[in-house]
Amino acid sequence: GAGVSQSPSNKVTEKGKDVELRCDPISGHTALYWYRQSLGQGLEFLIYFQGNSAPDKSGLPSDRFSAERTGGSVSTLTIQRTQQEDSAVYLCASSPGYFGLTEAFFGQGTRLTVV
Amino acid sequence: QKEVEQDPGPLSVPEGAIVSLNCTYSNSAFQYFMWYRQYSRKGPELLMYTYSSGNKEDGRFTAQVDKSSKYISLFIRDSQPSDSATYLCAMSEGNNNDMRFGAGTRLTVKP
Repeated sequence: GAGVSQSPSNKVTEKGKDVELRCDPISGHTALYWYRQSLGQGLEFLIYFQGNSAPDKSGLPSDRFSAERTGGSVSTLTIQRTQQEDSAVYLCASSPGYFGLTEAFFGQGTRLTVV
Repeated sequence: QKEVEQDPGPLSVPEGAIVSLNCTYSNSAFQYFMWYRQYSRKGPELLMYTYSSGNKEDGRFTAQVDKSSKYISLFIRDSQPSDSATYLCAMSEGNNNDMRFGAGTRLTVKP
C-alpha cells in the first residue's frame, strides 16, 4: 500500500488479556516508531526501530509492553495483561532514513479499549 | 510542569479568520520544531518543521520560533472549514526519535 497501515483499527479487550497490534510501514522505510495517544494528551513515545540496530525501548511504560520488527518491515506491539489505563490510540509511523520524524508518516492508529 | 505546554482549546473561528496556535517549552536544547495536523480518527500529518529560530512560510501557513522566549507559533491565514482539526506541536533536541509533543489544540473553522 501507499501508506502506513495499522490493524486492527479498533480493539476492545477485557482487562487481563493480551493484545497484539500490527503495523505495516511504507515499503523501504528503515525507521519505525510506536506512539501512544491518550484522550486529551499529546503523543507519548514508546519504541523506535532503525534498520538492524537495537531498538530504543526507553519509552515503554512497563514490562507488560514489548515490540518486535521482523525482517525490517512489519512490527507488532504486544501488551500483556492489559489494564484500563492502557486504553488509548496506538500510532505507528515510518520514516525513510535517518532524518527522524521530519520525514515520517503516521498510520491511522489502533484504538484500544480495555474494559 | 510539562516539557511542552499547549492550550487544548477548543478554538472556534469564522471562515477567513487568521488563526494563531502556540506552544511553550522548557527545554532550551530543543532545536527542531514541528507542527502536525490530525483529523478525527486519523494519524497526524506533518505540516511544517523549523530548525532553530526564525520563520517559515508555506502557503497559508507560517511557523515562527522564538527560542529566547521558548515559544513557537503556527499562523493560518484565510482559514477554511477544511482546516478544522487538532494541531499538535512537537520538538526535539536532535533530528531523531526523542520528540516531545504538545497535547494538541482542537480548531473548528465555521463556514
